[in-house]
Amino acid sequence: QVQLVESGGDVVQPGRSLRLSCAASGFTFSTSAMHWVRQAPGKGPEWMSVISHDGSSKDYADSVKGRFTISRDNSKNILYLQMNSLRVEDTAVFYCARTADCLSASCYRQFDSWGQGTLVTVSS
Amino acid sequence: DIVMTQSPDSLAVSLGERATINCRSSQSVLYSSNNKNYLAWYQQKPGQPPKLLIYWASTRESGVPDRFSGSGSGTDFTLTISNLQAEDVAVYYCQQYYGTPRTFGQGTKLEIK
Repeated sequence: QVQLVESGGDVVQPGRSLRLSCAASGFTFSTSAMHWVRQAPGKGPEWMSVISHDGSSKDYADSVKGRFTISRDNSKNILYLQMNSLRVEDTAVFYCARTADCLSASCYRQFDSWGQGTLVTVSS
Repeated sequence: DIVMTQSPDSLAVSLGERATINCRSSQSVLYSSNNKNYLAWYQQKPGQPPKLLIYWASTRESGVPDRFSGSGSGTDFTLTISNLQAEDVAVYYCQQYYGTPRTFGQGTKLEIK
């Protein structure tokens, strides 16, 4: 079955950097577009970023554009999110999610599988 | 951005009764070329990630009980939970995937009366 396992969450000070990872198994990772979605405490989910199956195309929410970078290593079945210049308002649980039957970043489908999430806390 | 607005923010329903959650999008999420509504519903229990229930506004995900149903088109959608069970206590979110950014509603908290 599809399994997504996030890691890398931590407590960091504002302005610092952090890299999250999402290890995928149970499906053909290299043929799936992948997303990062975050959820601040007590709030609804917020879509962050998408990457195409081969990493050639990416897109970001305006709130993180220029600060966050999504990437993937299909040889290791791992999705990454490099987060720079972190702000207090970036505090959230970060989930990786898969869109069913999608290759490209501009493929619009539901999120059919989610990881358990990793907590990022930005605080001085 | 397409804004998703759910109502109510919370509701309490008796076991065995019906729960109805509404979702409105700020613009249509119906794609005319394929006549599909790019709208999904998720269930989230405490400490867990969202779980896909419904996509294309009315298609039930595999393994989801048939007491969950989705309806609506264009800008107005409804999630109906019939014969409410104790395990249905959760927060429910609608989400549009018509455009980027993909956006979610603020959530509806469902409790047992």
